[in-house]
Amino acid sequence: DQQVKQNSPSLSVQEGRISILNCDYTNSMFDYFLWYKKYPAEGPTFLISISSIKDKNEDGRFTVFLNKSAKHLSLHIVPSQPGDSAVYFCAASETYNQGGKLIFGQGTELSVKP
Amino acid sequence: GAGVSQSPSNKVTEKGKDVELRCDPISGHTALYWYRQSLGQGLEFLIYFQGNSAPDKSGLPSDRFSAERTGGSVSTLTIQRTQQEDSAVYLCASSLYRGLDYEQYFGPGTRLTVT
Repeated sequence: DQQVKQNSPSLSVQEGRISILNCDYTNSMFDYFLWYKKYPAEGPTFLISISSIKDKNEDGRFTVFLNKSAKHLSLHIVPSQPGDSAVYFCAASETYNQGGKLIFGQGTELSVKP
Repeated sequence: GAGVSQSPSNKVTEKGKDVELRCDPISGHTALYWYRQSLGQGLEFLIYFQGNSAPDKSGLPSDRFSAERTGGSVSTLTIQRTQQEDSAVYLCASSLYRGLDYEQYFGPGTRLTVT
């Protein structure tokens, strides 16, 4: 049972435009959500997070939106740059019940073309 | 400072052999996690250590998998009698666990190939 789903395996965007990566979850007990970025042959690196008490968190070019009623979150990157090309993973956690373990989606490979 | 390190970076082993994968977390981090990423899949949680508490082993796929964390620092993931489906990248992460405000830092992973 896939509790966190990223239904788009890949996304291609022109440099300077907005990239929107989507993530859906099924477990209503998740209370903390994160986005990680992964380059080939490297471990994932943390990008941005959001607590379930918020609906938006912004950090520079990156903004995460959370819609709890729809059990949906999205990552917006604007403007997109070629260096943003990587695999993006959405992750979720039940921090009080399950400690820090993260449940990851399958990932979306973003390609930003110059 | 130094990040999370893992060794070896690559391991090729024959089916049926045992393997040990090592993780050195960031100094001072109390929480340590093991995940694996099979080809074309997302990261799958395996096991989680937090301080002196009993580890959360709920993600271990079979009793051939075990892990220990010595002295609250270095961790070893052991896979006994390896099978071809164990082939994956095994990732270790650590965090300074602070309730809702935490971030997991990942190592580069160990790519395990079972032939």
